[in-house]
Amino acid sequence: ETGVTQSPTHLIKTRGQQVTLRCSSQSGHNTVSWYQQALGQGPQFIFQYYREEENGRGNFPPRFSGLQFPNYSSELNVNALELDDSALYLCASSPGTGYGSGNTIYFGEGSWLTVV
Amino acid sequence: AQSVTQLDSHVSVSEGTPVLLRCNYSSSYSPSLFWYVQHPNKGLQLLLKYTSAATLVKGINGFEAEFKKSETSFHLTKPSAHMSDAAEYFCVVSDSNTGKLIFGQGTTLQVKP
Repeated sequence: ETGVTQSPTHLIKTRGQQVTLRCSSQSGHNTVSWYQQALGQGPQFIFQYYREEENGRGNFPPRFSGLQFPNYSSELNVNALELDDSALYLCASSPGTGYGSGNTIYFGEGSWLTVV
Repeated sequence: AQSVTQLDSHVSVSEGTPVLLRCNYSSSYSPSLFWYVQHPNKGLQLLLKYTSAATLVKGINGFEAEFKKSETSFHLTKPSAHMSDAAEYFCVVSDSNTGKLIFGQGTTLQVKP
């Protein structure tokens, strides 16, 4: 039990639509990050938030955006969905600042997104 | 830039025999390294982490890993495989500037009865 809860667990969207994925972290976990895991691949870093501000971003286009709320919940929004966006989206949280090394990062079980 | 390379995409062992999953890393700094496990249709679970303390790191479920700077390796081992160990294993390095995790491509561990 990691204390990180994601919803929905599975969803199907049509190309061009928009999707919002949600994550609830443990109390005190000020850092949340999102990862995309395509089938058969390792997770890829999308972005990270610390105290409601984005403080790191991977190689993903601007149509991937996020929000972090004071109550330790967060959202990943993806606009103009493409077929290649089909993947498992993982939320991860930690009590650290997100910078530096060694902070234990806890993952949720993910949201499976299928774009048709 | 930091990166990890998992040397085997698939490893098959018999139950009760040792497990070795190989990982090499590349880092300009003293790295933080992790091993995560992912069971089918599940999220990622932390097995162990190295953060510049003891070079031999013990994790959960009998797994351990040894940090070898001279070989830039962080191989994962277990003396005796159990059927429940069958899963996908990821070697991970933490970017010391951003804290983001950089994953290897994963190694699928198959355990035969």
